[in-house]
Amino acid sequence: AQSVTQPDIHITVSEGASLELRCNYSYGATPYLFWYVQSPGQGLQLLLKYFSGDTLVQGIKGFEAEFKRSQSSFNLRKPSVHWSDAAEYFCAVGVDEKLTFGTGTRLTIIP
Amino acid sequence: DAGVIQSPRHEVTEMGQEVTLRCKPISGHNSLFWYRQTMMRGLELLIYFNNNVPIDDSGMPEDRFSAKMPNASFSTLKIQPSEPRDSAVYFCASSLSGSKYEQYFGPGTRLTVT
Repeated sequence: AQSVTQPDIHITVSEGASLELRCNYSYGATPYLFWYVQSPGQGLQLLLKYFSGDTLVQGIKGFEAEFKRSQSSFNLRKPSVHWSDAAEYFCAVGVDEKLTFGTGTRLTIIP
Repeated sequence: DAGVIQSPRHEVTEMGQEVTLRCKPISGHNSLFWYRQTMMRGLELLIYFNNNVPIDDSGMPEDRFSAKMPNASFSTLKIQPSEPRDSAVYFCASSLSGSKYEQYFGPGTRLTVT
């Protein structure tokens, strides 16, 4: 069965600093991969998706992610974070019309 | 256009009581998903519907849980009887059939069972 691992439970970065959130997946074939963001008290919002093709995908809010098959990874990046990026971030793999989510990484931004 | 609407936003009930959570998907979306989020288990898919028909309910924890979708604009998740371990945030999400992974989530219902 497919699975998603987000090794970092909590990350703190300074406003304006760069960000990388890690995601590793386990699946036999090429997966569909996603990053969702959850702001406090709200539902999840899709940030970006990877289906095939170019391994570097762009999303909303200035985020990007890179698919690396050799490392079974799909890390999320942003060159310069803003205070409004403070949220919980979930990596997910899509198989058989269903999403399997990782446990999430909580991002804290300090001034 | 309005997003996914869930009601109530908060529910506090006593063990043994029936609880009904409601969801209105985005107009035109024909896939609907119910999730449960807890600290211990993270975000779990409970059940999903396509064109009002339940497709996969393998995530429903036990017979105390049931879900219905009587029409394209309304779904319910019922817990009867409720137990303290059912305390969680329950999310409803909807999507277009051709884009099942691109799901739009509602704000969730925070359920507390005492």
